[in-house]
Amino acid sequence: SAVISQKPSRDICQRGTSLTIQCQVDSQVTMMFWYRQQPGQSLTLIATANQGSEATYESGFVIDKFPISRPNLTFSTLTVSNMSPEDSSIYLCSVEDKGLAGYNEQFFGPGTRLTVL
Amino acid sequence: DAKTTQPPSMDCAEGRAANLPCNHSTISGNEYVYWYRQIHSQGPQYIIHGLKNNETNEMASLIITEDRKSSTLILPHATLRDTAVYYCIVRVAYMGAQKLVFGQGTRLTINP
Repeated sequence: SAVISQKPSRDICQRGTSLTIQCQVDSQVTMMFWYRQQPGQSLTLIATANQGSEATYESGFVIDKFPISRPNLTFSTLTVSNMSPEDSSIYLCSVEDKGLAGYNEQFFGPGTRLTVL
Repeated sequence: DAKTTQPPSMDCAEGRAANLPCNHSTISGNEYVYWYRQIHSQGPQYIIHGLKNNETNEMASLIITEDRKSSTLILPHATLRDTAVYYCIVRVAYMGAQKLVFGQGTRLTINP
């Protein structure tokens, strides 16, 4: 089963700046997913990142605002650009891998808590 | 949009069984029911999944109705550490990695 780490765990940023969030997985995976969780809300998928190709963005999310890199099978970054207070959220990455019972599960990182002032 | 509906909140006494319902009336024949939970300030955690048969693992049991339009997650002996938001999700399994569409989930509070 995959173990995922994210950096930073939290940050406080000024509006108009950008923050890059890193996601590292301890095994090679084809797809990585980036989610956003606004305060008190459920998770919303931002994009799916495949190694070697452009990320696929969900409705309401665009590459200029949330550029994603996927340089290899164990690493991805999500940048939150030109931030505003509305971008204050927890950002989570996830991957799909075999769980202990042998079935496919999605594993989530611990999240990055972003506050924009 | 999420294909499931769940009650927004539930309470359960410690040591009792917690039964969390989920409606998925538009589920397709090749879609599985998955349950995840999110303990405060952590990433979601997989609990269990099933297609049409009831399933049990070390964490929970999953009861799926015969018409597959609803299901119930059962935590047999709830503890305080089971306080979390529980998400019921339908998705196609075993066809490569699939994105998850989260609804609002049920906020379960276990009371001492």
